[in-house]
Amino acid sequence: DIQMTQSPSAMSASVGDRLTITCRASQGISDYLAWFQQKPGQVPQRLIYSATTLQSGVPSRFSGSGYGTEFTLTISSLQPEDFATYYCLQHDSYPFTFGPGTKVNVK
Amino acid sequence: QVQLQQWGAGLLKPSETLSLTCAVYGETFSGYSWSWIRQPPGKGLEWIGEINYSGATNYNPSLKSRVTISADTSKNQFSLNLRSVTAADTAVYYCARGPNSYGYSPFDYWGQGTLVTVSS
Repeated sequence: DIQMTQSPSAMSASVGDRLTITCRASQGISDYLAWFQQKPGQVPQRLIYSATTLQSGVPSRFSGSGYGTEFTLTISSLQPEDFATYYCLQHDSYPFTFGPGTKVNVK
Repeated sequence: QVQLQQWGAGLLKPSETLSLTCAVYGETFSGYSWSWIRQPPGKGLEWIGEINYSGATNYNPSLKSRVTISADTSKNQFSLNLRSVTAADTAVYYCARGPNSYGYSPFDYWGQGTLVTVSS
């Protein structure tokens, strides 16, 4: 199985901050990488797919980069509605695997 | 507008079989795989498996011996059966669309989630 790691596992931030979350794959996955946001009690929502493509309707402050084994999700200016948990997903090979999540808390 | 609506029993006893169904609205089965994903309370997401438009399935090896995913294309529905459940199978179970037939665009639409609790 491909193992996905995320760093940090949790972070405290303020509105307006620039945030970067890193996701690493245990082997190369090309650009078969997606990012999801999940708020408590809600269904995960896809933010980014194909590593860099912004999901329709998602604010442009979210961006993704990377290829192969290292990927980043960046929020350029954190908004109140962005406090949530973020997961990466690899779908290069079976079984598909999610990262353990990064929880973004209010500082 | 694609919508996924899921249903099934929410309380099971150990050793019983978990059965969930997901109905797809606004989209046909062709061109995509259709997945089940679960999330234990307070924990992360785990992909369970998928079925594609031709009926081919792929399962997570961690669950493969107990899982069956099937589809009824005439009803635009797909189902999850998980046998011999234990407390460790307590989770919110989601159905989701994707990836597409080119292997891209995973999980852009999700069901509302079903909390399944296993308890004696």
